[in-house]
Amino acid sequence: KNEVEQSPQNLTAQEGEFITINCSYSVGISALHWLQQHPGGGIVSLFMLSSGKKKHGRLIATINIQEKHSSLHITASHPRDSAVYICAARGSGGGADGLTFGKGTHLIIQP
Amino acid sequence: EADIYQTPRYLVIGTGKKITLECSQTMGHDKMYWYQQDPGMELHLIHYSYGVNSTEKGDLSSESTVSRIRTEHFPLTLESARPSHTSQYLCASQQTGYNQPQHFGDGTRLSIL
Repeated sequence: KNEVEQSPQNLTAQEGEFITINCSYSVGISALHWLQQHPGGGIVSLFMLSSGKKKHGRLIATINIQEKHSSLHITASHPRDSAVYICAARGSGGGADGLTFGKGTHLIIQP
Repeated sequence: EADIYQTPRYLVIGTGKKITLECSQTMGHDKMYWYQQDPGMELHLIHYSYGVNSTEKGDLSSESTVSRIRTEHFPLTLESARPSHTSQYLCASQQTGYNQPQHFGDGTRLSIL
């Protein structure tokens, strides 16, 4: 079973700062998801990537398959970026598409 | 944007009641999932379905049951709610195909008194 670890667990930063959230996993995967969960509980899918790098607006996600590591970066952070960011690894086999979730990183951006 | 809906958003109810949490999607996705998330903890898969009349249990054991009579609906039922069922329940759907993203609903926050 895949183990997914995220760091840091909690992060408080000032508006405008560059943010990095890290995710590592223990076994090979077919894809890695980055998800955003707001206080109301709903989840939005930010990225799904299996190699390299993806960018959407101020968000950048990278993955290093050999090192089993992914990072989510936020440039020019804003208070509306405050949320829980969740990393989820999709296994390369098994039922239910094998998504294993990290515990999330609770990000607070202060004005 | 994804169109997946969960009702109710919040439910506070007494022990012993029968509860059904609704999940509907309008994208025609064959794959649907139920996850349970305790506060501050990771999501755990409790049920999934790959299509009509297909249901499977997930990684986390749950006393809930599910049904998939129609593609768009995937309700979750607790026959007799207990305080240990207090949690957030999230529904998701996914298009069939290699490495498709999962689309999540807003969740149902359930409290059993």
